[in-house]
Amino acid sequence: DTGVSQDPRHKITKRGQNVTFRCDPISEHNRLYWYRQTLGQGPEFLTYFQNEAQLEKSRLLSDRFSAERPKGSFSTLEIQRTEQGDSAMYLCASSRSGGDTQYFGPGTRLTVL
Amino acid sequence: GENVEQHPSTLSVQEGDSAVIKCTYSDSASNYFPWYKQELGKGPQLIIDIRSNVGEKKDQRIAVTLNKTAKHFSLHITETQPEDSAVYFCAASKPSGSARQLTFGSGTQLTVLP
Repeated sequence: DTGVSQDPRHKITKRGQNVTFRCDPISEHNRLYWYRQTLGQGPEFLTYFQNEAQLEKSRLLSDRFSAERPKGSFSTLEIQRTEQGDSAMYLCASSRSGGDTQYFGPGTRLTVL
Repeated sequence: GENVEQHPSTLSVQEGDSAVIKCTYSDSASNYFPWYKQELGKGPQLIIDIRSNVGEKKDQRIAVTLNKTAKHFSLHITETQPEDSAVYFCAASKPSGSARQLTFGSGTQLTVLP
């Protein structure tokens, strides 16, 4: 396993701009999760994919957020019209079908100026 | 929804001593409890997990205990080393369709003093 990878690792943007993050899960993991982590807090669940289907979304995921996993492999998370409150670490995790263990990537740290 | 509380928020121990971190959860349907270690600038790394059909699990210097009746679980690290210094998170999860949505505690900053 090469592990979960995320790109970019850091992103600085101005308020109002759109940003997109990418997550590559561990190969053969068909479950993919997005979490958000603010400073000094634990990660909070955003959304979940089983293969290409987005099956759960948290109320934290406002209309400005959209996630895709078009071919059931990598996933993208887009934030439109960023706000300063969006500044956080965005974490991706993956797991096997039927497995409980979630393996996290290194995260993308977003700073909105 | 599920709520997980974690204590203490900071913990300092001397190298070689033991460290204990405690968590409580609110949803009695939760049945999976992982612990993650997060170093600065990195993503959380799973260090141990326990399921509700087991009361205790050990892996070398790390152990986790679970009390389903009281809805609390604890992480025990023995013979601490400086490289154990990090933020530790507990989490709880219950089956929800095919998903395993983790609810995390707020973390414990562990510092092991040489």
